[in-house]
Amino acid sequence: GDSVTQMEGPVTLSEEAFLTINCTYTATGYPSLFWYVQYPGEGLQLLLKATKADDKGSNKGFEATYRKETTSFHLEKGSVQVSDSAVYFCALRHLYSGGGADGLTFGKGTHLIIQP
Amino acid sequence: GAGVSQSPSNKVTEKGKDVELRCDPISGHTALYWYRQSLGQGLEFLIYFQGNSAPDKSGLPSDRFSAERTGGSVSTLTIQRTQQEDSAVYLCASSLRAEETQYFGPGTRLLVL
Repeated sequence: GDSVTQMEGPVTLSEEAFLTINCTYTATGYPSLFWYVQYPGEGLQLLLKATKADDKGSNKGFEATYRKETTSFHLEKGSVQVSDSAVYFCALRHLYSGGGADGLTFGKGTHLIIQP
Repeated sequence: GAGVSQSPSNKVTEKGKDVELRCDPISGHTALYWYRQSLGQGLEFLIYFQGNSAPDKSGLPSDRFSAERTGGSVSTLTIQRTQQEDSAVYLCASSLRAEETQYFGPGTRLLVL
């Protein structure tokens, strides 16, 4: 079955540091890839997504590129802020050509702590 | 509100009791999903409803778990004869169509004593 692997952390960085959270996946076919974020006390929300190989998703200064050859979707940000402290989840899902989709398959989540 | 809502926000129950968790999706969203978030297993997909089609139950962990969606809107997840390992946060999500972005509710935190 499908699976997603990501570093669990916690990952602790200083403000303005460069961030990389690694994510690799195992899946048949060509899934869509996602990063979700869960801020303290809040619900899960979509951060960015990519639906095909070499696509780059971006939002709020975060970026991730769908790399089919390495089955990876690493999350990066050039300069993190304290407000980026949260748990980040990498996920995938399959879309069907006739419409419809699977549920999301999530990684275990990476707890990111940004210190001022 | 315009978002996905879930009730109750917290539920404490005794082992062996049945519980019902409710999800109100965003108005007009045809797809509805249930997930479970626990310390040991992370985030797991449970069940998916698309319009009036039969649900995809492939993620339900046992036959003690069931879900229904009435009138293509509100959904109820029922856990019968709860066990301590059922303790988790149960998340509901909805999307306009199955292939669109899923929007998550705040979750119901279930504790089985």
